[in-house]
Amino acid sequence: KAGVTQTPRYLIKTRGQQVTLSCSPISGHRSVSWYQQTPGQGLQFLFEYFSETQRNKGNFPGRFSGRQFSNSRSEMNVSTLELGDSALYLCASSPPDRGTQYFGPGTRLLVL
Amino acid sequence: QKEVEQNSGPLSVPEGAIASLNCTYSDRVSQSFFWYRQYSGKSPELIMSIYSNGDKEDGRFTAQLNKASQYVSLLIRDSQPSDSATYLCAVETSYTGANSKLTFGKGITLSVRP
Repeated sequence: KAGVTQTPRYLIKTRGQQVTLSCSPISGHRSVSWYQQTPGQGLQFLFEYFSETQRNKGNFPGRFSGRQFSNSRSEMNVSTLELGDSALYLCASSPPDRGTQYFGPGTRLLVL
Repeated sequence: QKEVEQNSGPLSVPEGAIASLNCTYSDRVSQSFFWYRQYSGKSPELIMSIYSNGDKEDGRFTAQLNKASQYVSLLIRDSQPSDSATYLCAVETSYTGANSKLTFGKGITLSVRP
């Protein structure tokens, strides 16, 4: 099976702009979770989607949003970018019995 | 109190030694526990999962779980330079219905000296 894919792999944006990241889960996985990883804070949970519905949400401001499509592909959007949003954004998909998460390669976002 | 804590690092061991990585968690009802390995510049990959008290062995890796002490550990025997990476402890806690939460520790960086 193909793994989790994320696009783009690298992004450079400026403060105030908005960005959309995309994630395609492993075939058959309906749960997609998003994480932000920074050296100081580690891996922090953003949100989880299952069957096009947000099932869980972390403690991030409303500038961070996401959605999931009927084919389980997911997007996350960050509006009004801040310097502190510079991070590695990881997407992970889970099989129906949950538990194990399979991570994509990540999108590295740099906000200038 | 942090939900998932890993002992401070970095940890450096000589090749062939046993590396011991520890993790504590705060939610007593947590059910599933995972160890992920992350190489520099790469994404995390699952190396071990454990769900019940006791030891679980997989090759050179042994995961240990003690729910009474809210403690999970990973032992790496015969450490190799290729084991040098950051190890993330993750704890899953299920709530009512289909809602569950997977929380990661900040990770500990292991360096295996040749």
